[in-house]
Amino acid sequence: EDKVVQSPLSLVVHEGDTVTLNCSYEVTNFRSLLWYKQEKKAPTFLFMLTSSGIEKKSGRLSSILDKKELFSILNITATQTGDSAVYLCAVPWSGQKLVFGQGTRLTINP
Amino acid sequence: DGGITQSPKYLFRKEGQNVTLSCEQNLNHDAMYWYRQDPGQGLRLIYYSHIVNDFQKGDIAEGYSVSREKKESFPLTVTSAQKNPTAFYLCASSPGTGTGTQYFGPGTRLLVL
Repeated sequence: EDKVVQSPLSLVVHEGDTVTLNCSYEVTNFRSLLWYKQEKKAPTFLFMLTSSGIEKKSGRLSSILDKKELFSILNITATQTGDSAVYLCAVPWSGQKLVFGQGTRLTINP
Repeated sequence: DGGITQSPKYLFRKEGQNVTLSCEQNLNHDAMYWYRQDPGQGLRLIYYSHIVNDFQKGDIAEGYSVSREKKESFPLTVTSAQKNPTAFYLCASSPGTGTGTQYFGPGTRLLVL
């Protein structure tokens, strides 16, 4: 069965810290891995990763994929209280359907 | 403005009642999806549609029904057969380009009275 597992499930850090969120996957016919940020409501798209070893970067956020070891990490440097959210990892399978991980709830304390 | 809209924002259901959640998109996307999110969990797929007049069951379709009569609209009905409907419901769409990227609406929170 295809599955996506995220860790940790919950993380509390102080403002300014750097965090690393993990996502491992087991899917057949891998095409891409997606990261979303979910605050109060709709998940918003962060990154799509398709190739191993190529870092995607957007401001203080970056992500990389390892297709050999079947995982991805999402890094956030110099965290701010606005980074507090649930971070979701997802992998498409069987056409356009997405399989989601459980999410990591990140809390940034001032 | 292009995007996905869901209504209502909050919905209350009485025992034995069917309720319908609206999802509309003006992104000209072919594919649309309904997910359910429970506290502390990720998103689980209820139904999806890749083209007008066609839809497929997801992982947790029991107690739900959908229709796709128009490209822009994909309403979800939560029937009385769904015994535990309290959850956050998210609608999404994708252009169907094969990358898997989906764009989400703001969600509807359903509560049972």
